[in-house]
Amino acid sequence: DSGVTQTPKHLITATGQRVTLRCSPRSGDLSVYWYQQSLDQGLQFLIQYYNGEERAKGNILERFSAQQFPDLHSELNLSSLELGDSALYFCASSTRDRGLSGANVLTFGAGSRLTVL
Amino acid sequence: ILNVEQSPQSLHVQEGDSTNFTCSFPSSNFYALHWYRWETAKSPEALFVMTLNGDEKKKGRISATLNTKEGYSYLYIKGSQPEDSATYLCAFIGSARQLTFGSGTQLTVLP
Repeated sequence: DSGVTQTPKHLITATGQRVTLRCSPRSGDLSVYWYQQSLDQGLQFLIQYYNGEERAKGNILERFSAQQFPDLHSELNLSSLELGDSALYFCASSTRDRGLSGANVLTFGAGSRLTVL
Repeated sequence: ILNVEQSPQSLHVQEGDSTNFTCSFPSSNFYALHWYRWETAKSPEALFVMTLNGDEKKKGRISATLNTKEGYSYLYIKGSQPEDSATYLCAFIGSARQLTFGSGTQLTVLP
């Protein structure tokens, strides 16, 4: 157990629907990162939050949004789902904010597998 | 968009063989390089953090080297074992302090 908790582990839904993925970072970590891994693709950075504020944005679609709450858990909202959104969504946390320090690695959750039918 | 490339994309070796693979990254604005190991059905786990040109890190049979001037890092596995089978990811951190992953090298060690 890495200490980063993601729910749900698996989710099957239909096109056009909206889902919310949840992440609780490791105790003491203030930064949360969201990554998407589609079939045969590497880890694509979506977005980062630190202590409730958005810090960096990657290749996140406008249909997707995220937030980090005062208790530091984060949610990734995916709307108007398309078949191509089927992927494994990882959350990771770290202790640092203004970008990663050299020594400060990411701790990943187990991922949420989304299947859009 | 930063270009972080890993080669080969996949690799099959026999148990006991030693192997190595490469991560190439921009040689300018280097801040740090991470290596992660990602086993099937699990989440990526950090292996090494490398920050200085010439760094060499070792953990058991796995080691890594870093050349920031030419923009590459090598990961070596000595005497590969089936449990080493995983995808090995490198992640580049530049001066903007953001982390960019390579697409990984998928290693399969055959018994």
